[in-house]
Amino acid sequence: NAGVTQTPKFQVLKTGQSMTLQCAQDMNHEYMSWYRQDPGMGLRLIHYSVGAGITDQGEVPNGYNVSRSTTEDFPLRLLSAAPSQTSVYFCASSGPGQVGRVAFFGQGTRLTVV
Amino acid sequence: AQSVTQLGSHVSVSEGALVLLRCNYSSSVPPYLFWYVQYPNQGLQLLLKYTSAATLVKGINGFEAEFKKSETSFHLTKPSAHMSDAAEYFCAVSGGSGYSTLTFGKGTMLLVSP
Repeated sequence: NAGVTQTPKFQVLKTGQSMTLQCAQDMNHEYMSWYRQDPGMGLRLIHYSVGAGITDQGEVPNGYNVSRSTTEDFPLRLLSAAPSQTSVYFCASSGPGQVGRVAFFGQGTRLTVV
Repeated sequence: AQSVTQLGSHVSVSEGALVLLRCNYSSSVPPYLFWYVQYPNQGLQLLLKYTSAATLVKGINGFEAEFKKSETSFHLTKPSAHMSDAAEYFCAVSGGSGYSTLTFGKGTMLLVSP
C-alpha cells in the first residue's frame, strides 16, 4: 500500500515558470490537502478538497491553483513561480470513518525558485 | 477558527531525561488534537491523537499527551529521552472545515545529547 505519493521530490524553477506538483493516494480518502512548510512557520494550508469536484482555499492560496477530478489525485499548480514560493510542499489525505480524521502525509516536494 | 501555540522552538534534553513539549490551542468547536513528528528530510508521522475519548492519550515510541480543557493544553511527554527521539515535533488542531484540515503550530525541535 503506497499511501500518499508526491512527485517530484525536488524541483528547481526559474521565476515566472509554471509547474504542477503531483499528489496521488490509493486509500480511497475523500479529503486531500496541500500544505507548505517554511522554517519557523510550521505547516500552512494552501488548498484543500472534501471530494472530487470540490475544492476550497486555505490560509495561503495566492499563486496556486488546484483541481480534483478524481478521488485519487489532487495536483497543485504554480501559475507563475516566484522566489517566495520556495518551500517544501506536503500533500495529505484523510478518509471517512476515521474519528478525528487522521491525516496521512506524503514525503514532500522541495521546490526552489531562482 | 483554530490556532496552536508551541512554546519553545528548540528544546534540549539529555538522554534518559524527561521530555516535555508544550502545546496550547484555541478552537471555536470541540477540537481534535494531534502530535506529529518529522525526521530530517521526511514527511510527517502521527505520534498520537485526541478525539474526546480519553484525556490521557498514549502514542508510539513511548510518547503520551494529556488533554486539559481548562488549560486549553495538550502537552507531549516521554519519561526517558532516547537519541532517536531527536526530530521536529508539531502540534495540530482540527475542527474547522468540517474537521477535514489541520492547523499546525510552528514546531519544536527536540535535541537529545548523550
